[in-house]
Amino acid sequence: NAGVTQTPKFQVLKTGQSMTLQCAQDMNHNSMYWYRQDPGMGLRLIYYSASEGTTDKGEVPNGYNVSRLNKREFSLRLESAAPSQTSVYFCACTWGALYEQYFGPGTRLTVT
Amino acid sequence: GQQLNQSPQSMFIQEGEDVSMNCTSSSIFNTWLWYKQDPGEGPVLLIALYKAGELTSNGRLTAQFGITRKDSFLNISASIPSDVGIYFCAGQRVIQGAQKLVFGQGTRLTINP
Repeated sequence: NAGVTQTPKFQVLKTGQSMTLQCAQDMNHNSMYWYRQDPGMGLRLIYYSASEGTTDKGEVPNGYNVSRLNKREFSLRLESAAPSQTSVYFCACTWGALYEQYFGPGTRLTVT
Repeated sequence: GQQLNQSPQSMFIQEGEDVSMNCTSSSIFNTWLWYKQDPGEGPVLLIALYKAGELTSNGRLTAQFGITRKDSFLNISASIPSDVGIYFCAGQRVIQGAQKLVFGQGTRLTINP
């Protein structure tokens, strides 16, 4: 039982390149989230999926797209990476609105 | 976007000392949460507070949900080396059936042996 897994763990991109961050959970949770964490700041919500088949914008969605592929998987795509997107990205999941969120180990992304 | 005001930003203490950190917000939350993040890992939930005025303990950790629902504090007693890490507060709301968390900036705890 791996919980929440994220791939890759590290990635370096050049400005303008695209990539997809993958997240998978084996906890049978309904809701999944993508956050970014920048130095000196807490986590900020990018997008979330309250249930399979739905996605919604969070606090900082610009420059990102998401896909809830199935109940287990929620991917985050950067279509044209910018240096401002250098950050650590965390995926999280929860069974429902009143339950604990469980976080993955993060993906450290650098855009040069 | 909104973030919670968490203080202090960093703490340097001796092993065995007690630690206190707090979090304030300009708006009300239904639930307050405290997380710990170890290097290279995602945050892990330490304590959840569900009612205004609630005082909850988890081993050496004690947290309180402020009466106004706009603040919370976390105390760690008799610190040990494994307490090192970054501590985050988070306010939780449920909006249209979805859970939304707003995080503080974090308190980085360093312990001198």
